[in-house]
Amino acid sequence: GAVVSQHPSWVICKSGTSVKIECRSLDFQATTMFWYRQFPKQSLMLMATSNEGSKATYEQGVEKDKFLINHASLTLSTLTVTSAHPEDSSFYICSASRQTNYGYTFGSGTRLTVV
Amino acid sequence: AQSVTQLDSHVSVSEGTPVLLRCNYSSSYSPSLFWYVQHPNKGLQLLLKYTSAATLVKGINGFEAEFKKSETSFHLTKPSAHMSDAAEYFCVTKTGANNLFFGTGTRLTVIP
Repeated sequence: GAVVSQHPSWVICKSGTSVKIECRSLDFQATTMFWYRQFPKQSLMLMATSNEGSKATYEQGVEKDKFLINHASLTLSTLTVTSAHPEDSSFYICSASRQTNYGYTFGSGTRLTVV
Repeated sequence: AQSVTQLDSHVSVSEGTPVLLRCNYSSSYSPSLFWYVQHPNKGLQLLLKYTSAATLVKGINGFEAEFKKSETSFHLTKPSAHMSDAAEYFCVTKTGANNLFFGTGTRLTVIP
């Protein structure tokens, strides 16, 4: 079955530094990848959608200069949280889709804590 | 616009008793609906999906859901709860922009 690997599973960083999170589709080519953010005891909120080789489409209210998304290949997308602050602490989850009508496979998530 | 509403934020059942997690949808056309489960600090696992092929959808781990157009509902059920079913459950629909809209989630607690 389709597998998506997300790394790291957890990270602690100092305020002001940048953190990169990787999302890889291991056994399929992901034409579209999605990045979600989940605050404690809340639902997932879509941050952005990225298609391989093109710029990501950000949801309203998400700062594209703060959350840099790169989808340079069909198997890898990265989310970089730049100049992280404590309020960026959250659970970040990626999802990959092969084609428009295919299912969505989720990564295991990354717990980011900014101190 | 496509959206879903999960009617209960928390459901508590005894082990071995039936599970019912409620979800209503809003859609201007035949929706694609999903149920996902999330265990603590984990990603999401697809339980089942409805794509208009059959109104009763069987998923993994004994779960199933019935699409009822007259009630705009897609409730998730399981005949007998197991301790390992304790988790967060999300009802999800696909939007016109082809991404996913998540419900607010229902936390299922299973009492031994």
